[in-house]
Amino acid sequence: ETGVTQSPTHLIKTRGQQVTLRCSSQSGHNTVSWYQQALGQGPQFIFQYYREEENGRGNFPPRFSGLQFPNYSSELNVNALELDDSALYLCASSPGLINEKLFFGSGTQLSVL
Amino acid sequence: AQTVTQSQPEMSVQEAETVTLSCTYDTSESDYYLFWYKQPPSRQMILVIRQEAYKQQNATENRFSVNFQKAAKSFSLKISDSQLGDAAMYFCAYRSGNAGGTSYGKLTFGQGTILTVHP
Repeated sequence: ETGVTQSPTHLIKTRGQQVTLRCSSQSGHNTVSWYQQALGQGPQFIFQYYREEENGRGNFPPRFSGLQFPNYSSELNVNALELDDSALYLCASSPGLINEKLFFGSGTQLSVL
Repeated sequence: AQTVTQSQPEMSVQEAETVTLSCTYDTSESDYYLFWYKQPPSRQMILVIRQEAYKQQNATENRFSVNFQKAAKSFSLKISDSQLGDAAMYFCAYRSGNAGGTSYGKLTFGQGTILTVHP
């Protein structure tokens, strides 16, 4: 059984650029959520996808968008990058919407210069 | 909105000793879950222990146990017989149990407590 994998592990972008982060869910998991973790802070919920549809969103602007594919892998897209977008982005999957057990990946460290 | 507060930015413990990490939360809901996650330098969040709010009995997982005080909205983590591998950032987190809410599935995390274990 494979765990949650995220790519890339590190990424450097400049302000104004666009970025796509990828997440491969654990086998059999149809629910994926994304979190932003600034340095020294707790993760903040961005949004959640269930069976390819967004199912809950945190307090993030529309330039943060996502996709979930039929194989339940997922992407997080961020447009018009700002310096404050520099953070660790964590993906988590779970076997179902009502299953409270989340499995996290090791994250993508994004630096915006 | 729910909030989670961890008032101890850093804690330290001697190997084999016991340490308690504090967490308080605020919610108007009656059905929810509480969690402690560990984040080592590898950055991966690892579930340590979870508690369902409707259960009065405190959860226990080997050396890890919680003191869940629902009326006081307090949820502390006790680590017994501390080991060097326990050193990490620990996060307390809240999840709504209301399946009809728009925030269902969302974890609300505290600010974290860095735990250092001294040999």
